[in-house]
Amino acid sequence: DAGVIQSPRHEVTEMGQEVTLRCKPISGHDYLFWYRQTMMRGLELLIYFNNNVPIDDSGMPEDRFSAKMPNASFSTLKIQPSEPRDSAVYFCASSWTGGYGYTFGSGTRLTVV
Amino acid sequence: KNEVEQSPQNLTAQEGEFITINCSYSVGISALHWLQQHPGGGIVSLFMLSSGKKKHGRLIATINIQEKHSSLHITASHPRDSAVYICAVYSGGGADGLTFGKGTHLIIQP
Repeated sequence: DAGVIQSPRHEVTEMGQEVTLRCKPISGHDYLFWYRQTMMRGLELLIYFNNNVPIDDSGMPEDRFSAKMPNASFSTLKIQPSEPRDSAVYFCASSWTGGYGYTFGSGTRLTVV
Repeated sequence: KNEVEQSPQNLTAQEGEFITINCSYSVGISALHWLQQHPGGGIVSLFMLSSGKKKHGRLIATINIQEKHSSLHITASHPRDSAVYICAVYSGGGADGLTFGKGTHLIIQP
């Protein structure tokens, strides 16, 4: 298995633009998590899915953020409109049975200028 | 919400030294992860512990469930071990993701 695959690896965009981050989890994993990492706050959970259904999105900072998982092999995190304070590294992770067997993607480094 | 504390925050040591990084948490857990992150790099899971001790190469992880404490040890440290080491706990009962410590920034000097 190629692991959790995220794209793009780097994204630079102008304030106000829409940004879409993509994630392909490990086949067979039934949980998918989106995390954000910043220097100030470290790693934070944004949202997670179980069997493609969003379970807890309380970590999503604002209505500008949305996430979807249309099928078991693909998820997106969208920011519209983007702001400079959204600049961070966004990680996708998948696991089976929740907190066990965790695998992280390589992350997407987002810079909003 | 589980509070996860790591110590030290920063550690600089000489090549060959024995390294210990500590992690304490406030609420009982189902599993604890030790993660490694190199500068500009992704996050790699080193260990997942529910009890006892695990060893992989020069890395050893232990956990004491009663004391809510875990340690990560590196024997015969090497400059390539320089990275941020992050402790993360999973409390279970709803799969609410991992709660992370702030990380320990380790530098091994040759």
